[in-house]
Amino acid sequence: DTAVSQTPKYLVTQMGNDKSIKCEQNLGHDTMYWYKQDSKKFLKIMFSYNNKELIINETVPNRFSPKSPDKAHLNLHINSLELGDSAVYFCASRGELATGELFFGEGSRLTVL
Amino acid sequence: AQSVSQHNHHVILSEAASLELGCNYSYGGTVNLFWYVQYPGQHLQLLLKYFSGDPLVKGIKGFEAEFIKSKFSFNLRKPSVQWSDTAEYFCAVKDGGATNKLIFGTGTLLAVQP
Repeated sequence: DTAVSQTPKYLVTQMGNDKSIKCEQNLGHDTMYWYKQDSKKFLKIMFSYNNKELIINETVPNRFSPKSPDKAHLNLHINSLELGDSAVYFCASRGELATGELFFGEGSRLTVL
Repeated sequence: AQSVSQHNHHVILSEAASLELGCNYSYGGTVNLFWYVQYPGQHLQLLLKYFSGDPLVKGIKGFEAEFIKSKFSFNLRKPSVQWSDTAEYFCAVKDGGATNKLIFGTGTLLAVQP
């Protein structure tokens, strides 16, 4: 029973298209995140939601729009895809507030051609 | 804002060798520190964490890390590595601001040769 699950795991698409990645967690956590991992494995935070409210929005192009219909779901929609958007996108949820430990999904590898 | 440095980008060891991966964070105060591991093609998994108490933290799979406040360091160690330890290792610190986000280092790729 996967704690943090993302779909799809792989996504290959053309430049200019719009795509979405979905994330769900069954851990009962209030806070969820999207991280982007580039080809050099660098992990950069993109967004965070706490109980459906946006709390972190790092310098991300507005082509990226997160949506949280409830605290167990955080989806990522990307408009007008560009080559530089190719990366692995990781969803995560946060455990105890005191320690800040993150639980990661398995990642969604996006390839833009 | 907090930042994390991992100075070893790529480490190659033979099986049974000892491992130490460096991690430094940028400023003091109360810190929560983490080491995550990413096996090839997989997601990040927590190896160990420090948030208070004993500065020597033991994690899974025989890993440990030592928090040295005076050096702003949280180095990861393992006395004897195995081929299955081949992976990318990320140090992370919890940012002390209101968002409590995790800031990750650039990662260290460990390759263990059999």
